[in-house]
Amino acid sequence: NFMLTQPHSVSESPGKTVIISCTRSSGSIASNYVQWYQQRPGSAPTAVIYEDNQRPSGVPDRFSGSIDSSSNSASLTISGLQTEDEADYYCQSYNSGIHVVFGGGTKLTVL
Amino acid sequence: EVQLVESGGGLVKPGGSLRLSCAVSGFTFSSFSMNWVRQAPGKGLEWVSSISASSTYRYYADSLKGRFTVSRDNANNSLHLQMNSLRAEDTAVYYCARDPLYSDFWGQGTLVIVSS
Repeated sequence: NFMLTQPHSVSESPGKTVIISCTRSSGSIASNYVQWYQQRPGSAPTAVIYEDNQRPSGVPDRFSGSIDSSSNSASLTISGLQTEDEADYYCQSYNSGIHVVFGGGTKLTVL
Repeated sequence: EVQLVESGGGLVKPGGSLRLSCAVSGFTFSSFSMNWVRQAPGKGLEWVSSISASSTYRYYADSLKGRFTVSRDNANNSLHLQMNSLRAEDTAVYYCARDPLYSDFWGQGTLVIVSS
């Protein structure tokens, strides 16, 4: 199985843009879709991006996702940061046989 | 409205067993694969197990080493996780979620504490 590696934490000011990376250890990042989940303290995760770059209904277009085969990584970009975006973010993918893999999570601080 | 409600968590001694349940409503349960994901205190999300819509396929995290069994009852819209030989490191909030590939709906979780 592969691993997904995320930075432990990122911080940025309100109104700015932040990019959270998610690097796949083996196999192509393009082989299987990547999802991104937001988790606020004490709450269950909710999806903000699915299938690499699709936004679920209700997620603002300030959230976008992409993949980069050259770095074998996925990225979550949040523009126009708001204090409410402060949360933990997890990337997730899977391999054949439906073994699901989560990244270690990134704590976003909006200061 | 889609709802997933976990139950069955609690305090259990090391070596003990526990059966978690997830009651589902608001969608056609029998059409979707389902997922268990856990989160140890202060830690990240960890996939535990998935089961296909008709129970044909069941997948588990390698770390579980055969101690957990996932099942479902499509007639009663419920998902289950039988956990045996529990260890301290199994202490976590256990979430059920719809669709392992893209989990669009999650329950609020049930806390399992393994301690003597």
